[in-house]
Amino acid sequence: EAGVTQFPSHSVIEKGQTVTLRCDPISGHDNLYWYRRVMGKEIKFLLHFVKESKQDESGMPNNRFLAERTGGTYSTLKVQPAELEDSGVYFCASSYRGPDSPLHFGNGTRLTVT
Amino acid sequence: GDSVTQMEGPVTLSEEAFLTINCTYTATGYPSLFWYVQYPGEGLQLLLKATKADDKGSNKGFEATYRKETTSFHLEKGSVQVSDSAVYFCALYLYNQGGKLIFGQGTELSVKP
Repeated sequence: EAGVTQFPSHSVIEKGQTVTLRCDPISGHDNLYWYRRVMGKEIKFLLHFVKESKQDESGMPNNRFLAERTGGTYSTLKVQPAELEDSGVYFCASSYRGPDSPLHFGNGTRLTVT
Repeated sequence: GDSVTQMEGPVTLSEEAFLTINCTYTATGYPSLFWYVQYPGEGLQLLLKATKADDKGSNKGFEATYRKETTSFHLEKGSVQVSDSAVYFCALYLYNQGGKLIFGQGTELSVKP
């Protein structure tokens, strides 16, 4: 089966610009998660979708971040406007039943804001 | 709050050396514990897990034992290989936290031939 796919793999933008990250989960996985790792620190939870609904968005840092999952398939994470501290690696993960079933991670998108 | 603390990296070892990466946690409930590994250029992969006290997770020669009394889940391998070079993340999951895993900061391991 195809794994979790993230696009782009790397993005370099200037402060104030907008970037949209995309995640395609494994087909049939209703649960989709976004995580972020900033500057070699811990990987932090951003939010969790079950199908198209946001189950938990407590980790979203501020209202410059907008996540969507229309139709319950792929998801996008938009950062607008980007700030320097948004630089990091954004990981997407999906699972079939929830976090107690195996999480499958994508390779991540490395975002650099200059 | 709930958190995971890992030993600082990078860790550099020679091939066939013994590996220990320390992980301790703080949790309000009774967590499940995980080790994830990220090889260069790849996503995170589940390496092993343990869901209750005294459970031992094992995979690919790696082992970790869930120690409730010391709130620890240290990762060990008896003889590392160059191919084990990666970043290792300890993580916990609490059922009352909904969907989120709580990760440590990661420990980079470099194994030299």
